[in-house]
Amino acid sequence: DAKTTQPPSMDCAEGRAANLPCNHSTISGNEYVYWYRQIHSQGPQYIIHGLKNNETNEMASLIITEDRKSSTLILPHATLRDTAVYYCIVRGGGTYKYIFGTGTRLKVLA
Amino acid sequence: DGGITQSPKYLFRKEGQNVTLSCEQNLNHDAMYWYRQDPGQGLRLIYYSQIVNDFQKGDIAEGYSVSREKKESFPLTVTSAQKNPTAFYLCASIIVWLSEAFFGQGTRLTVV
Repeated sequence: DAKTTQPPSMDCAEGRAANLPCNHSTISGNEYVYWYRQIHSQGPQYIIHGLKNNETNEMASLIITEDRKSSTLILPHATLRDTAVYYCIVRGGGTYKYIFGTGTRLKVLA
Repeated sequence: DGGITQSPKYLFRKEGQNVTLSCEQNLNHDAMYWYRQDPGQGLRLIYYSQIVNDFQKGDIAEGYSVSREKKESFPLTVTSAQKNPTAFYLCASIIVWLSEAFFGQGTRLTVV
């Protein structure tokens, strides 16, 4: 699985969009980008995933660059409840191995 | 309700004792996973299993053992060989290899 790089922490004002970047420069053609978040002392929760097209669901939007070497998770109107650690994961290639990195600790400020 | 159940939520053991953490799912998922999380750190993969009676080591398997005798169950044993067992342990499952993972609520193990 390709390795991902995320900033260790970010702050965002409540009501503003939170844009969380992820670099995955070694991603291969059949690997997907997944995002999860983990609220303190709970199990991670799936947010969204994509291959090469931008994706949107009720929680967030995922923007993947044309070369697929990076992506951005967008929380359009961040609330205090969005304070969590956000993990970007790349997986595919027929393997079941599911590797999480260290993630980005997002703090939404009132 | 379908989901993954980890029990107990908190577990205390004396140093040198083996301890088994339970993970049960009723989602009919094929693959199951165990992760370890230390304070302020990310998740590290211990073991995973794609199907019954088969499992593979993750990145930090030393000092741990697992079994997968039933599709619904994937217990993790923390043995006395694990030098620093105090941690938060998370179990997860997926239905097929490209699907999203569902997590349990974790077991916090403290060894004294």
